Amino acid sequence: GAGVSQSPSNKVTEKGKDVELRCDPISGHTALYWYRQSLGQGLEFLIYFQGNSAPDKSGLPSDRFSAERTGGSVSTLTIQRTQQEDSAVYLCASSLGRTGWSVAFFGQGTRLTVV
Amino acid sequence: DAKTTQPTSMDCAEGRAANLPCNHSTISGNEYVYWYRQIHSQGPQYIIHGLKNNETNEMASLIITEDRKSSTLILPHATLRDTAVYYCIVTYGQNFVFGPGTRLSVLP
Repeated sequence: GAGVSQSPSNKVTEKGKDVELRCDPISGHTALYWYRQSLGQGLEFLIYFQGNSAPDKSGLPSDRFSAERTGGSVSTLTIQRTQQEDSAVYLCASSLGRTGWSVAFFGQGTRLTVV
Repeated sequence: DAKTTQPTSMDCAEGRAANLPCNHSTISGNEYVYWYRQIHSQGPQYIIHGLKNNETNEMASLIITEDRKSSTLILPHATLRDTAVYYCIVTYGQNFVFGPGTRLSVLP
């Protein structure tokens, strides 16, 4: 497809387990963003990749959260030792370049439930 | 923190124009104004963006005041499917910071 693809669409995991969430950006997009949205809440920024620059990790809530982007394309968000408060929809977006002259397109998200 | 303020909620009659205001009094010279919307349980959808001039596309119009301290998103003929949370964001070169947005309810 031509849009941002995220997998899985739903994930249920036990507290304390590690999870990996995947984002396939639109081909050719150099910027990639991760956000999360808890039930009934707004979008919370997590991390931003722009080309070969060091990622902006300022939104990661704890050291249990990490993300990587291999080959400038696919990105994986990893949450270690999941907690119930990690339950949320995790959204990925990509854009051709920096904000200001490009538009970010969002995927449909991964709904993570920690039980 | 978001650099914008928006009303928490608004209602609009179906078929009428919906005018959604946004204040961004601390906007800097190179920051763009973006509008996104989020329909329940879906990822945010891009609507429109601009720097100084008014912009129009197939979805909406964006009116930016001359001093750029505020803007208005106009949906010319609102339909029930336009019911959503609308986010106004100002940014340049960085990530998008989402505030709580305006919950627009289009009423039949």
